Amino acid sequence: AQSVTQLGSHVSVSEGALVLLRCNYSSSVPPYLFWYVQYPNQGLQLLLKYTSAATLVKGINGFEAEFKKSETSFHLTKPSAHMSDAAEYFCAVSDTGFQKLVFGTGTRLLVSP
Amino acid sequence: DAGVIQSPRHEVTEMGQEVTLRCKPISGHDYLFWYRQTMMRGLELLIYFNNNVPIDDSGMPEDRFSAKMPNASFSTLKIQPSEPRDSAVYFCASSLAQGSNQPQHFGDGTRLSIL
Repeated sequence: AQSVTQLGSHVSVSEGALVLLRCNYSSSVPPYLFWYVQYPNQGLQLLLKYTSAATLVKGINGFEAEFKKSETSFHLTKPSAHMSDAAEYFCAVSDTGFQKLVFGTGTRLLVSP
Repeated sequence: DAGVIQSPRHEVTEMGQEVTLRCKPISGHDYLFWYRQTMMRGLELLIYFNNNVPIDDSGMPEDRFSAKMPNASFSTLKIQPSEPRDSAVYFCASSLAQGSNQPQHFGDGTRLSIL
């Protein structure tokens, strides 16, 4: 079965610092991978998705993620954090041919001034 | 474009009462998903539909939970009777059918509190 592991339930950065949120996946087939963001009292919004077209994927709000098959990783990065980036971030994987997503446990990003 | 619409946004009711949560997916989307989010268990998939037909309900916790999709623009999740442990945020999401690289679009959720 497919799964994702997000390391760190909380990550704290200063405004302007690099953001790195970690996600490792387990999949027996080439996966489709997603990052979603959840702001307080809202649903999940898609940040970016990997569908095998390119290993470096750019998303909204300046975020990007790199698919590394050798490391089974899909870490999310942003060069410079903004206060507005404070939210919870979820990594998710789906099987090829299946619409079902398996979500990680989420990482809460805290941004301090 | 209108996104996924859920109602009500908040529901507070007493244990034993019937609770009905509603969802209107994005027009043209073929898949509809119901999730539950709690601090303890995170985001759990309860059930999903394809073209109004339930495909996988293995995540439905008990027989007290039921979901229907009578047409392409409406779905309900019902809990009867409700219990305090059902308190959670319930999300509905929809997606297109063109392969599993299609993202799911989420509603803003229903925050359910069972007293």
